[in-house]
Amino acid sequence: TQLLEQSPQFLSIQEGENLTVYCNSSSVFSSLQWYRQEPGEGPVLLVTVVTGGEVKKLKRLTFQFGDARKDSSLHITAAQPGDTGLYLCAGPLYRTYKYIFGTGTRLKVLA
Amino acid sequence: GAVVSQHPSWVICKSGTSVKIECRSLDFQATTMFWYRQFPKQSLMLMATSNEGSKATYEQGVEKDKFLINHASLTLSTLTVTSAHPEDSSFYICSADSGTTVATGELFFGEGSRLTVL
Repeated sequence: TQLLEQSPQFLSIQEGENLTVYCNSSSVFSSLQWYRQEPGEGPVLLVTVVTGGEVKKLKRLTFQFGDARKDSSLHITAAQPGDTGLYLCAGPLYRTYKYIFGTGTRLKVLA
Repeated sequence: GAVVSQHPSWVICKSGTSVKIECRSLDFQATTMFWYRQFPKQSLMLMATSNEGSKATYEQGVEKDKFLINHASLTLSTLTVTSAHPEDSSFYICSADSGTTVATGELFFGEGSRLTVL
């Protein structure tokens, strides 16, 4: 059973389009992280959100943490081919010492 | 920033042999290390959580006798795949917590080890 469900699983869009990736759980998380991973490499941290309702912007990427700290979203504006990759949400389950990953969203941006 | 080194990066072995993967925190003490397994085009699945000096906590469905985890020091954890079979072929990634993960979510990842069992 996956505690962190991401949607969509796959996304193929044209350069310049906007997109949103969702990360949902029925469990509370102390914080949530978003990573991007390239094949054969470890995940690279993009952002950490800690406070319920928090919104963080990183250039064309906007991250939001749900008020109840059970969900998060990643919005990319004007996607570029360099954004192609596997996007993963992850975090430490509240009151446990377990760090888990979402199911992943594979994004492909076509030039 | 903190560095976690994983070795080897890739290994090919014959079916029935055992393979050891090391995960070292180079510039900090890791109270906890996590081991993940990743199949092609899929996400990271938590295999076990290891704390220095104690037995690892395995996730449901992960065979503890198959995947031996040792966390003998605050800078080293090892994963040994015993009697490896082709279905054990995968990408294994470790990560280390310096004690701040629960508060900050900050976790440091190794480069990953690709295991291929023939």
